[in-house]
Amino acid sequence: EVQLVESGGGLVQPGGSLRLSCAASGFSFSDYNMNWVRLAPGRGLEWVSYISGSSNTIYYADSVKGRFTVSRDNAKNSLYLQMTGLRAEDTAVYYCARKGTVLVPAALDYWGQGTLVTVSS
Amino acid sequence: DIVMTQSPLSLPVTPGEPATISCRSSQSLLHSNGNNYLDWYLQKPGQSPQLLIYLGSDRASGVPDRFSGSGSGTDFTLKISRVEAEDVGVYYCMQALHTPPRSFGQGTKLEIK
Repeated sequence: EVQLVESGGGLVQPGGSLRLSCAASGFSFSDYNMNWVRLAPGRGLEWVSYISGSSNTIYYADSVKGRFTVSRDNAKNSLYLQMTGLRAEDTAVYYCARKGTVLVPAALDYWGQGTLVTVSS
Repeated sequence: DIVMTQSPLSLPVTPGEPATISCRSSQSLLHSNGNNYLDWYLQKPGQSPQLLIYLGSDRASGVPDRFSGSGSGTDFTLKISRVEAEDVGVYYCMQALHTPPRSFGQGTKLEIK
């Protein structure tokens, strides 16, 4: 069974840092490209970042570029999101999501349960 | 960036009745391979988003056949043939062709009358 479990969320002051983790199981993690997507209070889903299976290709949303860093450790079946310079508008539930391959091309076919990040003084 | 526009944003439906959600993209999502890179997701209350439809009209594994997707190019539709109580939540369309970034619609909140 495919499972994605996020952790690392919490309350942080503006300008602070936080590192999110996503533990993957039930599939060959290194074969899949991964994404971070967030849901802010009262808003819709927003794509945050993408990383290819080999980490060769990385993308960020303009809203987080230069402040967030995505990485992965395929030996540990884990995905990470290092967040620095946090702002109130980064307050959201952060989800890791797997990008499908041949059978489900391009779609985000599995999502974690999410971890809440609150940026407030 | 591609802008995805959904309508309506709120959709009250009587159980057993059909429901339709529209999604319009600011650019065509039709690839040269003939596929439309448009997905539909449902976020039920208190849950994470789940994939319903990919490539515009293909149902994801385990999705009931009362859900169907259609459309091509810039205009897409999600239809629920007979709404059930478990279908409440927020429905999102997302384009997966012109990336990055992936773009979501604003979301359509379906509620039971």
